[in-house]
Amino acid sequence: GESVGLHLPTLSVQEGDNSIINCAYSNSASDYFIWYKQESGKGPQFIIDIRSNMDKRQGQRVTVLLNKTVKHLSLQIAATQPGDSAVYFCAENPTGNQFYFGTGTSLTVIP
Amino acid sequence: EAQVTQNPRYLITVTGKKLTVTCSQNMNHEYMSWYRQDPGLGLRQIYYSMNVEVTDKGDVPEGYKVSRKEKRNFPLILESPSPNQTSLYFCASSYAGDYEQYFGPGTRLTVT
Repeated sequence: GESVGLHLPTLSVQEGDNSIINCAYSNSASDYFIWYKQESGKGPQFIIDIRSNMDKRQGQRVTVLLNKTVKHLSLQIAATQPGDSAVYFCAENPTGNQFYFGTGTSLTVIP
Repeated sequence: EAQVTQNPRYLITVTGKKLTVTCSQNMNHEYMSWYRQDPGLGLRQIYYSMNVEVTDKGDVPEGYKVSRKEKRNFPLILESPSPNQTSLYFCASSYAGDYEQYFGPGTRLTVT
């Protein structure tokens, strides 16, 4: 199966600081990458995605960077807020219909 | 309200007793999928369906069955549950070709 990993299992940041969550993937043929947020007791929620022909995509307070050379993906959250505390997963899509998720990084925002 | 619903939310059962976890979506999505979530392993895809009567195995299909007789429903069937199927299960759906999946609230299954 695919291997999608995360560099750190936990991350703590001060409220207002920027957060960076990293992810490594193994399949260089993956065409699509997605970030999800999972709050305690809930299902994952889509945050942002990026296609393999891009290296950067921005959303509201979030930016995803893709480095295909080293097979690395990152999610940057600007001005982190307490509501951003959650587990963040990256996922890759090497084929049209299958998805492989990483193990997640738990983000804690310190007020 | 657009949503994916799962039932039951919690289930404790015994080894070998057949069970079904239902999943329903009201967004007219073509694509539906089941995942299991285990500590340290993240989410792993069990089965997915591109449309009615079209289903395919994901990464960990052993011990599970699915069916897609209607577009809105995608039940997960465990014919003979075993303790290693104790997990948190999520159903998800999306439009075909749109990778933004909407997840249900999860079903926590314990097999003793």
